[in-house]
Amino acid sequence: EAQVTQNPRYLITVTGKKLTVTCSQNMNHEYMSWYRQDPGLGLRQIYYSMNVEVTDKGDVPEGYKVSRKEKRNFPLILESPSPNQTSLYFCASSPITGTSDDKNIQYFGAGTRLSVL
Amino acid sequence: AQSVTQLGSHVSVSEGALVLLRCNYSSSVPPYLFWYVQYPNQGLQLLLKYTTGATLVKGINGFEAEFKKSETSFHLTKPSAHMSDAAEYFCAVSPTGTASKLTFGTGTRLQVTL
Repeated sequence: EAQVTQNPRYLITVTGKKLTVTCSQNMNHEYMSWYRQDPGLGLRQIYYSMNVEVTDKGDVPEGYKVSRKEKRNFPLILESPSPNQTSLYFCASSPITGTSDDKNIQYFGAGTRLSVL
Repeated sequence: AQSVTQLGSHVSVSEGALVLLRCNYSSSVPPYLFWYVQYPNQGLQLLLKYTTGATLVKGINGFEAEFKKSETSFHLTKPSAHMSDAAEYFCAVSPTGTASKLTFGTGTRLQVTL
């Protein structure tokens, strides 16, 4: 089954304790992205990657890191989490080359709800 | 730069009534427009998209949207609401269809009552 898998789904941590949220897709998509969703603000892009070893900042990158060593994986790293990073996080992937009907359509994972105390 | 405005953070309709969710956009170049739906405890899934061509776009689950350039709008409609339509709906725009430039609205939560 084609999917974007995020882990964990729920995470409670404390301020300053480094954490990683994993994201993996099995659709061979070039593009991957991380968003955070907050009430009244919709989805805001944190980082994105156009392909392996190519990453770039989105609209709200402060306090986050990413890496793209393999095409299928795009982990989100919070090196020193703070309470203002409590949010619902989504990973997405998209094909950006070729002629398929879903070119540039983003496919989303189920989300990771993070609470930083 | 592009932006999306969704009027009404909450919309309530009766089952069987018309659903109308409003979306206005701004874009400096011809836009690609999308509606995504988020069911409780799930990720977003694509309802429909407008790229080029026909301005009335049909999506899944009986939804459709019409691109009106003169009004910079892309409102989502469904003739008859069903209880299963209760969800949050997001309008999104990208200036050239490039995945990296997708900008989302703040969402509209649809409630369907008996």
